[in-house]
Amino acid sequence: EDQVTQSPEALRLQEGESSSLNCSYTVSGLRGLFWYRQDPGKGPEFLFTLYSAGEEKEKERLKATLTKKESFLHITAPKPEDSATYLCAVLIQGAQKLVFGQGTRLTINP
Amino acid sequence: GAGVSQSPRYKVAKRGQDVALRCDPISGHVSLFWYQQALGQGPEFLTYFQNEAQLDKSGLPSDRFFAERPEGSVSTLKIQRTQQEDSAVYLCASSLLRGLTYEQYFGPGTRLTVT
Repeated sequence: EDQVTQSPEALRLQEGESSSLNCSYTVSGLRGLFWYRQDPGKGPEFLFTLYSAGEEKEKERLKATLTKKESFLHITAPKPEDSATYLCAVLIQGAQKLVFGQGTRLTINP
Repeated sequence: GAGVSQSPRYKVAKRGQDVALRCDPISGHVSLFWYQQALGQGPEFLTYFQNEAQLDKSGLPSDRFFAERPEGSVSTLKIQRTQQEDSAVYLCASSLLRGLTYEQYFGPGTRLTVT
């Protein structure tokens, strides 16, 4: 069964304290891995797509990386406005639907 | 440009009532998806359209759930005889699905509360 697991479930950091969020997946065939940001009361906002192991994407303080079994979302020198839930999702070969993890709730304290 | 819009944003229904949730996708996006998100969880797939064709409805939890997209643009998710377990946020997403572009862009969701 295709499965996506994110860790930790919640993470609290001080402003400027860098860290990483993990997304591990077990799928029959990966077509792509997606990272989204979700603020309370809003829909998920697209951040990155990664297609193959070794690929990296960056946007402001965020960098996403991909291996054959997991992806990391690195956040460097975070600010309070980076506080949100970060969702990881996979697109599987032969399907169009995204399979999501449960998310990591990130809080950045000033 | 305009993103995905959904209406209503909030819906309160009494158990047993029927509800209809609307999604307006990004103009030109051929694919449209519905997801259900329970509190504190990631979204779960319900159904998928390519233009007006419903190609995957494997995630619909029961035959009380029905979705349509008759002209390949606006979509409606209908839930008949609502139950308390139907309370959730219903998200709509659209995608271009051209070449290697698979990103799905989400609307703000409709929060359904069944009392």
